[in-house]
Amino acid sequence: QQQVKQSPQSLIVQKGGISIINCAYENTAFDYFPWYQQFPGKGPALLIAIRPDVSEKKEGRFTISFNKSAKQFSLHIMDSQPGDSATYFCAASKNDYKLSFGAGTTVTVRA
Amino acid sequence: DTEVTQTPKHLVMGMTNKKSLKCEQHMGHRAMYWYKQKAKKPPELMFVYSYEKLSINESVPSRFSPECPNSSLLNLHLHALQPEDSALYLCASSQTRVRDEQFFGPGTRLTVL
Repeated sequence: QQQVKQSPQSLIVQKGGISIINCAYENTAFDYFPWYQQFPGKGPALLIAIRPDVSEKKEGRFTISFNKSAKQFSLHIMDSQPGDSATYFCAASKNDYKLSFGAGTTVTVRA
Repeated sequence: DTEVTQTPKHLVMGMTNKKSLKCEQHMGHRAMYWYKQKAKKPPELMFVYSYEKLSINESVPSRFSPECPNSSLLNLHLHALQPEDSALYLCASSQTRVRDEQFFGPGTRLTVL
């Protein structure tokens, strides 16, 4: 039973465009929502994370939007670059050791 | 030093072999994790060590045996694996809980013949 649903499975965007990945969760006990970026042959790396007391967090070209009432959160990649081509995983956690990952989104940025 | 190292990078083993994967971190983190990742899938949690004690075992078959010799080292001993165990095995660490930022290693690509 997947606790975090992620869409789309893949997306292609032109250089300079905006990539948007959406995630939804059911468990209202989740209180930590990270996004991980993974390049082929590498381990995931934390990109940005948010807690439910804020509705938006921005770090450089990456922005998380969080809608607590809808139990949804999304990642926006502004001015997408070829180096952003990777797989992105959203995740959610309670105050423990477990991360519930989404299924992942493969982003391809065309030059 | 914000790095988790894993050795070996690649491992090929037969179903009757015994091998070990090694993970090391020097960030003073007290939680260490083993994950298994199949191609195009998210990581699946296998084990968690907290303060060098096994805290979580996600019903992993006994052919996988974790060990935490000290706060910086984590091993995964492998014995009598099956071809379906072929995957990328990731080690991770965090200060305590996952919300303290979890750092992943590059993984060991395991192939079981």
